[in-house]
Amino acid sequence: KAGVTQTPRYLIKTRGQQVTLSCSPISGHRSVSWYQQTPGQGLQFLFEYFSETQRNKGNFPGRFSGRQFSNSRSEMNVSTLELGDSALYLCASTIPGSYNEQFFGPGTRLTVL
Amino acid sequence: AQSVAQPEDQVNVAEGNPLTVKCTYSVSGNPYLFWYVQYPNRGLQFLLKYITGDNLVKGSYGFEAEFNKSQTSFHLKKPSALVSDSALYFCAVRDALSGGYNKLIFGAGTRLAVHP
Repeated sequence: KAGVTQTPRYLIKTRGQQVTLSCSPISGHRSVSWYQQTPGQGLQFLFEYFSETQRNKGNFPGRFSGRQFSNSRSEMNVSTLELGDSALYLCASTIPGSYNEQFFGPGTRLTVL
Repeated sequence: AQSVAQPEDQVNVAEGNPLTVKCTYSVSGNPYLFWYVQYPNRGLQFLLKYITGDNLVKGSYGFEAEFNKSQTSFHLKKPSALVSDSALYFCAVRDALSGGYNKLIFGAGTRLAVHP
């Protein structure tokens, strides 16, 4: 069974631009969660989508948004990029009925110059 | 506030010796606890979880963890460390205030270095 896939793996953007990251969960997993990982703040929850609906949102500004499609694939978007948005963005899908056991993708490394 | 603490930034162990990576938590209600490992330039890999039942949980790659409710701890252990175990380890707890949805709160991570 294929794992969680994220594209692209690496991105370089400049301040003020916007970026879209993509995540395909494991087949059959309907919940997709996004996390931001930085050296200073560690792993922080961004949001979770289930059946195309955002169920949960972390403490991030409105520049961070996401969506989920009917095939459970999810995208997150960051508008008006800032230097501090440089991070590894991780996507995870959850095994149904597993008490929150999440499988993570390899991440997208975003660098903002 | 709900939180997870990993008091050690780094743990150094000689190959073949037992290892322990510490984790304490603070949550409302019964905790759902997890350990993940991250290798360089990779995502997180699930090691094990505690939901209920036996306080000693066995996981992948020979790792186990002991849940201690009175000490609010969930330490990760392995009887005999391998050099290949060198990685970044994260303890996590489900956010009980998230309505049961899939939000994890992570500790800051502990870097494990196993020396030959």
